[in-house]
Amino acid sequence: AQRVTQPEKLLSVFKGAPVELKCNYSYSGSPELFWYVQYSRQRLQLLLRHISRESIKGFTADLNKGETSFHLKKPFAQEEDSAMYYCALSYSGGGADGLTFGKGTHLIIQP
Amino acid sequence: DAGVTQSPTHLIKTRGQHVTLRCSPISGHKSVSWYQQVLGQGPQFIFQYYEKEERGRGNFPDRFSARQFPNYSSELNVNALLLGDSALYLCASSFGTASYEQYFGPGTRLTVT
Repeated sequence: AQRVTQPEKLLSVFKGAPVELKCNYSYSGSPELFWYVQYSRQRLQLLLRHISRESIKGFTADLNKGETSFHLKKPFAQEEDSAMYYCALSYSGGGADGLTFGKGTHLIIQP
Repeated sequence: DAGVTQSPTHLIKTRGQHVTLRCSPISGHKSVSWYQQVLGQGPQFIFQYYEKEERGRGNFPDRFSARQFPNYSSELNVNALLLGDSALYLCASSFGTASYEQYFGPGTRLTVT
């Protein structure tokens, strides 16, 4: 069965410092990986997906199939990055089987 | 467009009762998915409906059921409520069935006492 692991429940860094939120997955096929973000009092929203290879709000994530990881990185954290971050996996190529989410990492950016 | 809307916002039920949660998708979206988010966990997939048919189902008991109406709105029904059903229930809509296209609603907070 597919599984997504986010080992850090809470991550606190200072403004301007680099950020890395870890995500590991287990799945035998070819998954699609995503990062979702939930800012305070806002809805869960898509941040980025591996297939698009985009940089959104300065965040990037590279799929490493050898290490089965999809870590989210940003070189210089900003206070507005404080939020709950969820790594998610789609195991049917984006089809009708839904997303499998990790437990989330609460990112706090200190001034 | 107000985005995905869900009702009610909050709900308190007792064990054994039945509950119906409602979701209205973004205009033009034909697919609705339901997720359960227990406190401290990530959302867990329950159902996906597309064009009024069930297209996907997560690992939930038969007490959970859903349907989609001709206007693409959806209801999630839970029978014989258990304390463990207390959670935030999220609805997400998308034009097609691709998971990454989903737009989430604010959720319905269900408390079972």
